[in-house]
Amino acid sequence: EVQLVQSGAEVKKPGESLKISCKGSGYSFASYWIGWVRQMPGKGLEWMGIIYPGDSDTRYSPSFQGQVTISADKSISTAYLQWSSLKASDTAMYYCARVSPLGYYGSGSYNDHWGQGTLVTVSS
Amino acid sequence: QSVLTQPPSVSGAPGQRVTISCTGSSSNIGAGYDVHWYQQLPGTAPKLLIYGNNNRPSGVPDRFSGSKSGTSASLAITGLQAEDEADYYCQSYDSSLRVFGGGTKLTVL
Repeated sequence: EVQLVQSGAEVKKPGESLKISCKGSGYSFASYWIGWVRQMPGKGLEWMGIIYPGDSDTRYSPSFQGQVTISADKSISTAYLQWSSLKASDTAMYYCARVSPLGYYGSGSYNDHWGQGTLVTVSS
Repeated sequence: QSVLTQPPSVSGAPGQRVTISCTGSSSNIGAGYDVHWYQQLPGTAPKLLIYGNNNRPSGVPDRFSGSKSGTSASLAITGLQAEDEADYYCQSYDSSLRVFGGGTKLTVL
């Protein structure tokens, strides 16, 4: 069974750093792109970026380029999303999602499995 | 403001048929890119409902169907059930970027 298990909720202060994780199991983690999606309170889904764990090739949505860093460690089947200096506006639920089909992230690809989400709250 | 426009809300009574539209343009749906649909039940993560315009993943009831024509796509739900009350999102591609629609809240009356 394919599973993506994300790290727990975080409460941080503005200016602090943070790294959240997404651990995959039940499939060849290195062979599928993994994406990150933001959902601000009461709002819709926003695509942040994507990584191929096999070689760490990473692509960012222009809205998030320079704001976050996506990484992965294929040896432990885990993808990461990190911030160097959080802002209150980063308060949101963050989801990781596997991209299918295998090895492809372009037009026509879709997110067939999702993590349970990590709630990040940034408040002074 | 998403490049894929969905109605903010739709509603229907149990047993009825409802449709949710996803309107794009010549740079996304009209360019031939596939449309996918996700269901997000209250307090849960999104779930893939339809992929490749009209394909259902294993386990998704055939009450759910998708279609695409020109610059728009639609999700149809027949035999509406209380458990279908959720937010629904379309997703496609625009200028080499993945984009989501703004989402539609389905209320079962």
